[in-house]
Amino acid sequence: RKEVEQDPGPFNVPEGATVAFNCTYSNSASQSFFWYRQDCRKEPKLLMSVYSSGNEDGRFTAQLNRASQYISLLIRDSKLSDSATYLCVVTSGSSNTGKLIFGQGTTLQVKP
Amino acid sequence: GAGVSQSPRYKVAKRGQDVALRCDPISGHVSLFWYQQALGQGPEFLTYFQNEAQLDKSGLPSDRFFAERPEGSVSTLKIQRTQQEDSAVYLCASSLGSVRFFGPGTRLTVL
Repeated sequence: RKEVEQDPGPFNVPEGATVAFNCTYSNSASQSFFWYRQDCRKEPKLLMSVYSSGNEDGRFTAQLNRASQYISLLIRDSKLSDSATYLCVVTSGSSNTGKLIFGQGTTLQVKP
Repeated sequence: GAGVSQSPRYKVAKRGQDVALRCDPISGHVSLFWYQQALGQGPEFLTYFQNEAQLDKSGLPSDRFFAERPEGSVSTLKIQRTQQEDSAVYLCASSLGSVRFFGPGTRLTVL
């Protein structure tokens, strides 16, 4: 079983739709949580950190449930430019020095 | 630019050949990480350096893989006697704090 599990999709949604991605992680000692975005044939880039209290950045909302070891990402009012792969990431150890453990990624295609 | 750079961007190797992949981290970044990303998968951790010290090499898949960062800046990932299963994108990331900045990767194809 992978340490971080995501539904690979693809999720095909129309512009303007709201879409939610989920991810589960197996190591209860994981300390930091992130969503990264990866465009086709490009490197991963940090989208946002995820906190237990939930956090929002514009159209993006991330949530962490430590008890269920579950992380979510909600995208409202989808844009064509949101089409990408979204990687759920946890750290093993310190957020500064710990290794990032990536999920397989969930592919989003936003259609006109 | 001031980002992480990697070279070569693409490498085609014949099975059994040795390859060396280079990473130039962002100037001043203490931490450097190597990841391997197979097609359709998320990146998998290979190894971690803090300055010149290799503090974690638990992700290196075999003793054919070797990484170094002798002066605490540029790092090289070497793969000896390449196999077809080594075909992947090799990503380097550097950080000063908690945010990792990834380079564009080296796409290795082993024929």
